[in-house]
Amino acid sequence: DTEVTQTPKHLVMGMTNKKSLKCEQHMGHRAMYWYKQKAKKPPELMFVYSYEKLSINESVPSRFSPECPNSSLLNLHLHALQPEDSALYLCASSQFRVTDTQYFGPGTRLTVL
Amino acid sequence: DAKTTQPPSMDCAEGRAANLPCNHSTISGNEYVYWYRQIHSQGPQYIIHGLKNNETNEMASLIITEDRKSSTLILPHATLRDTAVYYCIVRKGSYGQNFVFGPGTRLSVLP
Repeated sequence: DTEVTQTPKHLVMGMTNKKSLKCEQHMGHRAMYWYKQKAKKPPELMFVYSYEKLSINESVPSRFSPECPNSSLLNLHLHALQPEDSALYLCASSQFRVTDTQYFGPGTRLTVL
Repeated sequence: DAKTTQPPSMDCAEGRAANLPCNHSTISGNEYVYWYRQIHSQGPQYIIHGLKNNETNEMASLIITEDRKSSTLILPHATLRDTAVYYCIVRKGSYGQNFVFGPGTRLSVLP
């Protein structure tokens, strides 16, 4: 099973709302990732968690707050977003090996009004 | 990580082989070549990866030149479902590091 699940599939929120994106994998992977993808652009890394600790933060604004409550779950908490934050948010996981293969979820399509 | 260059778009007739090129002339000895694809509005899908030798799996073949400065992804019998953006990524063998995606090649498989 190489499945990464993400919920919700679609999310519409106002600039004053607080919402969360959820990502789950049951492959025993020890690294998990958040990427952001704007329309017609390639995915860009936001955060990396390895062994449930934040190991990479690509200078993401604090209105995005990641959380890794356990090795299977990854959340992205959203607060006071801007319309330009509208994008496809992708989660991925990998085994944390030298020749890592990342497996991506289907993404959450976020629209900020 | 080494930078890659891919053509922005390609067409392929259904049932024919699709050959997608990638240049990575600054690749170093410990960097792997990975291929992913992304079908419209879905998450990227892993296809194949290699270091020096040619690789084949149920989806595709990866041909890496002897000097490792370029590679070709081959989809042997393209179908309409193979229409997607294909990303060639060169990445060091390392733990928990991200993939840096370039613009990729938009492959259109035509009936």
